[in-house]
Amino acid sequence: EVQLLESGGDLVQPGGSLRLSCAASGFTFSIFGMSWVRQAPGKGLEWVSAISATGSSTYYADSVKGRFTISRDNSKNTLYLQMNTLRAEDTAVYYCAKGYNYGEGWGRGSLVTVSS
Amino acid sequence: EIVLTQSPGTLSLSPGERATLSCRASQSITSTYLAWYQQKPGQAPRLLIYGASTRATGIPDRFSGSGSGTDFTLTISRLEPEDFAVYFCQQYGSLPKTFGQGTKLEIK
Repeated sequence: EVQLLESGGDLVQPGGSLRLSCAASGFTFSIFGMSWVRQAPGKGLEWVSAISATGSSTYYADSVKGRFTISRDNSKNTLYLQMNTLRAEDTAVYYCAKGYNYGEGWGRGSLVTVSS
Repeated sequence: EIVLTQSPGTLSLSPGERATLSCRASQSITSTYLAWYQQKPGQAPRLLIYGASTRATGIPDRFSGSGSGTDFTLTISRLEPEDFAVYFCQQYGSLPKTFGQGTKLEIK
């Protein structure tokens, strides 16, 4: 069974930084692309970033390009999202998802709140 | 950017009835690269359909997807009480990957 556990969400001031982690289990992490998808409170879904199985290919939504960095450590079965220069509009639940193109399995999410 | 428009915004039906949810794209989606998700309050989305018509693992056969080009449909043949939720479509044929705004399926 796919299990994804996000951590690292917090309240942060505008302009601040945060790193999210996603611990994966129940599947062979190193052969699957992975993604981050976010959902602002009461809103729809936005595909934020994705990374291929080896890490050689990445994708970023225009809204986060240049501010967020996705990475992975296949030896630790862990996915990361480094978020810099955070803005109020980045406030959302951030989901880790198995898959590069669509989300085959999802974590429960980690809440990031950007506010002064 | 491909804009996905879902209709209706809210669908009110009773258990046992058939539900038909629409997802229309602003331009043709490459190779039927369209997925459907179900989301219940306070929960993460769950993948139902990918490739426009392939059910994900463990998804009951009352859920079916169809369509190509710009028009796609999710059909739930006979609604069960646990099917009342919000449904999103998502395209992954072109960048950026985009979602529809969702259809809320509520109990009538």
